[in-house]
Amino acid sequence: EIVLTQSPATLSLSPGERATLSCRASQSVSGYLAWYQQKPGQTPRLLIYDASNRATGIPARFGGSGSGTDFTLTISSLEPEDFAVYYCQQRSNWPWTFGQGTKVEVK
Amino acid sequence: QVQVVESGGGVVQPGRSLRLSCAASGFTFSDYGMHWVRQAPGKGLEWVAVIWYDGSKKYYADSVRGRFSISRDNSKNTVYLQINTLRAEDTAVYYCASQRIEESDYWGQGTLVIVSS
Repeated sequence: EIVLTQSPATLSLSPGERATLSCRASQSVSGYLAWYQQKPGQTPRLLIYDASNRATGIPARFGGSGSGTDFTLTISSLEPEDFAVYYCQQRSNWPWTFGQGTKVEVK
Repeated sequence: QVQVVESGGGVVQPGRSLRLSCAASGFTFSDYGMHWVRQAPGKGLEWVAVIWYDGSKKYYADSVRGRFSISRDNSKNTVYLQINTLRAEDTAVYYCASQRIEESDYWGQGTLVIVSS
């Protein structure tokens, strides 16, 4: 199975700062990568699919990039509601897999 | 309004079996694949299984293959997850989620399975 490694494990930032989250795949997933946001006690929410396409209702401050094995989720200016855990997911090969998550916390 | 509602969780003894259900509405259920994803307490997300829109294909995570079985009944807009020989490490919230529909996917609130004697 494809292993996804997210870095850093925790990102400590202040509101208004830029967040850059990384996801690296153990083999190429082409562009078949998604990003999810999960807040405590809530269901995961799809942010980005196919590496760079924003899901319905996702603000423009969220951006995805990358292909092959290296992907990035960028939050251009953190809002208070953006502090959460973020997961990448590969949808290239079965079984699908998730990364271990990056927690974005308030500095 | 899309709704996805899981049920069937609870406290189960190790070695027993359990069937989870997921009822969906608000979209043409028979056109879309459905997934199960689980999350152990305090841990990350783990993709578990998928079933094709017509039930013709099924895939499983390596960790559950052989013990878990996914199925669906399109006449009832419901997908199921049969879990056999439950283990402590199966303790988790089990989410049901749709395949991406246009630019989103839809998840239920999850059902908690606790494996304990």
